[in-house]
Amino acid sequence: GQQLNQSPQSMFIQEGEDVSMNCTSSSIFNTWLWYKQDPGEGPVLLIALYKAGELTSNGRLTAQFGITRKDSFLNISASIPSDVGIYFCAGRDYRGSNYKLTFGKGTLLTVNP
Amino acid sequence: SAVISQKPSRDICQRGTSLTIQCQVDSQVTMMFWYRQQPGQSLTLIATANQGSEATYESGFVIDKFPISRPNLTFSTLTVSNMSPEDSSIYLCSVELPGSKPQHFGDGTRLSIL
Repeated sequence: GQQLNQSPQSMFIQEGEDVSMNCTSSSIFNTWLWYKQDPGEGPVLLIALYKAGELTSNGRLTAQFGITRKDSFLNISASIPSDVGIYFCAGRDYRGSNYKLTFGKGTLLTVNP
Repeated sequence: SAVISQKPSRDICQRGTSLTIQCQVDSQVTMMFWYRQQPGQSLTLIATANQGSEATYESGFVIDKFPISRPNLTFSTLTVSNMSPEDSSIYLCSVELPGSKPQHFGDGTRLSIL
């Protein structure tokens, strides 16, 4: 089946630093999504990318859909304590009769104040 | 987006018993999904639940273990049957809004089996 390699597994940074994480896939996706999960909650959609090469921002977050359609990265600028959580990438493609998501293993982000 | 409510939010169950998890959405959606998230792990799709048809299960998941109902466009249930400690996980429902929008998730049901 499809697999996503997400890295790094975890990051420990100081408040104010920039963060970068990425996902690579063995197969092509037609949409890349980035979610954040806080403890005790479900994943919350941060950014959706629909076209190869697309670069999209949401506040301090910037994500890009790789040209090959097999990769994506997420950058967080000027991190703050509330950025702590687990970040998941997800690739979406049409399988069977509907769209399905394949998730990366997540990046655990810790921000030291 | 949509407001997705899951019940119960958490439960502790005895092995061999079954638990039904409810997922309620505040708008009509065609596509609903059920995921499992084992401790410290990523999300794995259990099945897709479309209103008016049988749920479609992913490899490794079967209807006898995880029966699903989808009686209308705003509600679905997932039952975890004959539970064992290996079923201790977070179970999440998600919905795809009309227009093939990205999936949105409920807050999950945290299930522990003793």
